[in-house]
Amino acid sequence: DIQMTQSPSSLSASVGDRVTITCRASQGITNFLAWYQQKPGKVPKLLIYSASTLQSGVPARFSGSGSGTDFTLTISSLQPEDVATYYCQKYNSAPFTFGPGTKVAIK
Amino acid sequence: QVHLVQSGAEVKKPGASVRVSCKASGYTFTSFYMHWVRQAPGQGLEWMGVVNVRGGNSIYARKFQGRVTMTRDTSTTTVYLDLPTLTFEDTAVYYCARDGEGTSSFDYWGQGTQVIVSS
Repeated sequence: DIQMTQSPSSLSASVGDRVTITCRASQGITNFLAWYQQKPGKVPKLLIYSASTLQSGVPARFSGSGSGTDFTLTISSLQPEDVATYYCQKYNSAPFTFGPGTKVAIK
Repeated sequence: QVHLVQSGAEVKKPGASVRVSCKASGYTFTSFYMHWVRQAPGQGLEWMGVVNVRGGNSIYARKFQGRVTMTRDTSTTTVYLDLPTLTFEDTAVYYCARDGEGTSSFDYWGQGTQVIVSS
């Protein structure tokens, strides 16, 4: 099975900072990669699919890039409401594995 | 609009079984696969499997093969997750999540069902 890794596992940044999270697949998955945001105590929310397509209603400060094995989620200007754990997920085929998550906090 | 409403929290003893339901509304039920994801306390998201709502067959993560059963009832637009022989490690929040429109990412999620296994 393809394994998903993320880095860093956690980060702390100031409001307005640019934040980048990396996701890596152990084998190529073309662009079948999604990003989810899970705020504390809440249900996960789809942010980005097809590696770079913003889900409807998601603020434009979120963006995704990459293909093959290496992917990036970027928050262009971190806001207090972005405090959450972010997960990547492969969905080219079963199993639809999630990455271990990146916890984002405000400094 | 799309709604996925799950059954309520459960407290079970080790060795017991549990059924979690997920009632879908607001879209054509048989047009979208439905996934189950669980999250143990303080842990990440774990994909358990997917049910083909139209055909009825399911695919399970290797860890859950032979352990869980995912089914659907098209007459009530409900999918089910059955977990027999519960252990303490099954304590988690269980989510149903719909395959996205034109993508297999998960665009709608149920509110989650807490299952606690405790003696």
